[in-house]
Amino acid sequence: DSGVTQTPKHLITATGQRVTLRCSPRSGDLSVYWYQQSLDQGLQFLIQYYNGEERAKGNILERFSAQQFPDLHSELNLSSLELGDSALYFCASSVGPGAQETQYFGPGTRLLVL
Amino acid sequence: GENVEQHPSTLSVQEGDSAVIKCTYSDSASNYFPWYKQELGKRPQLIIDIRSNVGEKKDQRIAVTLNKTAKHFSLHITETQPEDSAVYFCAASKGGSGNTGKLIFGQGTTLQVKP
Repeated sequence: DSGVTQTPKHLITATGQRVTLRCSPRSGDLSVYWYQQSLDQGLQFLIQYYNGEERAKGNILERFSAQQFPDLHSELNLSSLELGDSALYFCASSVGPGAQETQYFGPGTRLLVL
Repeated sequence: GENVEQHPSTLSVQEGDSAVIKCTYSDSASNYFPWYKQELGKRPQLIIDIRSNVGEKKDQRIAVTLNKTAKHFSLHITETQPEDSAVYFCAASKGGSGNTGKLIFGQGTTLQVKP
């Protein structure tokens, strides 16, 4: 157990819908990262938040957004869902802003868009 | 842009043999190189990492080597066991003025250790 929690574990929804994925970092960690894992794209960095502020952005679609709250948990919002958004979504956390720091991954949320 | 190439995509070895997985990165500013092991349906778990001021690091049966000049790093697993069977991912990140932990992952290597 990495200490990073994610909910829900599984999510099944329809195209065009909107979902919210939640992540709680390890106690004391200030950074939260979101990664998408699909069969054809591997593990792709989406976005990083550090202490409530956006720190880095990857190839995150405009339909996706995220935020980190004062208690440091983070939510990833996916809207206007398409079949291709079906994937495993992982969050990870690290203690500081990130450079050369170990990232601990949560168990993931498996999203299936039908 | 930033890119990490990982080879081979699949690797099958006999129990007790060694396994080597290689990665090449494109951004010369990269300075942190972790390796993750992912079992089917599970989260990626860090098994070893190396920073750019070190050329080699070992942890029991696992070792990682880094060649900054060639922008190349490798994972070595000795005396492989069936429980080593999993997908292994290399990754790279850079600090610098942005000081972000954004990880760029390789495509993964599926390691099968046959008893």
